[in-house]
Amino acid sequence: DIQMTQSPSTLSASIGDRVTITCRASQSISTWLAWYQQKPGKAPKLLIYKASSLESGVPSRFSGSGSGTEFTLTIRSLQPDDFATYYCQQYKRLWTFGQGTKVDIK
Amino acid sequence: QVQLQESGPGLVKPSETLSLTCTVSGGSINYYYWTWIRQAPGKGLEWIGFVYYTGTTSYNPSLKSRLTISVDTSKNRVSLKLTTVTAADTAIYYCARDNQDGELDYWGQGTLVTVSS
Repeated sequence: DIQMTQSPSTLSASIGDRVTITCRASQSISTWLAWYQQKPGKAPKLLIYKASSLESGVPSRFSGSGSGTEFTLTIRSLQPDDFATYYCQQYKRLWTFGQGTKVDIK
Repeated sequence: QVQLQESGPGLVKPSETLSLTCTVSGGSINYYYWTWIRQAPGKGLEWIGFVYYTGTTSYNPSLKSRLTISVDTSKNRVSLKLTTVTAADTAIYYCARDNQDGELDYWGQGTLVTVSS
């Protein structure tokens, strides 16, 4: 099994902050990684695929980078709509999600 | 616009079978993988398994012995059956479309299933 570890588990930030979330894979997954945003009571929403490609309709303040075992999701200037929980997902071999990072208001 | 809608009983008794259906509208079920994901209350996302439109399946090893996922292309529906449930199977169950590369680009709203007597 490929394990995914996200850090931090919780992140407190202010509007306008630059936010970075890290996801590490237990073995190399090349760039087979996606990022999702989930708001309370809602289904996850795809933000980034293949580690760095922005899903259509997603604001350009979101970006992803990395390959192999280490990946990051960056929100360039945090907006009120961005307070949510973020999950990484590997799809190199089957699917595994990270445990999530909750971004809340400082 | 593709839409997915999960349906099924919201309450299942321990040791019984959990059965859910995902109805796909606004697009064809053909040529895609259809995935089930669940989320226990207050917890993260767990991949359950997928079915390809041809009927090929792949399951989470931790659930494989209790799980069946099937597809009915004539009705644009995907089904999940999980046998011998326990309280640990209480979760919101989502169906989602794999866009052929592994990313989940369309999701249903989810349906809460509680396992309790």
